Amino acid sequence: DIQMTQSPSSLSASVGDRVTITCRASQSISRYLNWYQQKPGKAPKLLIYAASSLESGVPSRFSGSGSGTDFTLTISSLQPEDFATYYCQQSYVTPRTFGQGTKVEIK
Amino acid sequence: EVQLVQSGAEVKKPGESLKISCEGSGYTFTSYWIGWVRQMPGKGLEWMGIIYPGDSDTRYSPSFQGQVTFSVDKSISTAYLQWSSLKASDTAMYYCARQSLRSGPPIDYWGQGTLVTVSS
Repeated sequence: DIQMTQSPSSLSASVGDRVTITCRASQSISRYLNWYQQKPGKAPKLLIYAASSLESGVPSRFSGSGSGTDFTLTISSLQPEDFATYYCQQSYVTPRTFGQGTKVEIK
Repeated sequence: EVQLVQSGAEVKKPGESLKISCEGSGYTFTSYWIGWVRQMPGKGLEWMGIIYPGDSDTRYSPSFQGQVTFSVDKSISTAYLQWSSLKASDTAMYYCARQSLRSGPPIDYWGQGTLVTVSS
């Protein structure tokens, strides 16, 4: 299985901050990398697919980059509704493994 | 509007069997892979596997192979996840999710989740 490792596991940030979350794959996955946001008690929501494509309806403050083994999710200016847990997922091969998650909390 | 509607919460005893469901609507059910994702209490997302409703082609994660069974009933656009003998460690939220046809492919729609509690 391909292992996906996110860092940090959690972070504290203020509204308006620029936030960066990284995701590393244990082997190359080309650009087959997706990002999801999950709020407590809710199903996850797709933010970014194919490493850098913004899902329809997702605010442009969210962006993704990377290829191969190293990927980044950036929130350019953190908003109150962005406090949540973020997961990366590789869709290069099955099993389509998720990272362990990054919880973004209010400072 | 695409929707995945899952069956309600279940409370079961160890050793019992269970089948939960996920009904798709608003799209051609047989044309998209449906996946299952486990989330244990307070933990992250775990990809269990996928099934293609068109021909029931199934891919299980090695972590779940032999522990669960996926199936579909095309006539009612419904996918199922079942256990033959539940364990306490099966206690979790289970999500069904549609795999997009886009490059990736990402999961673009999720069910609301079914909470399964296994306790004696």
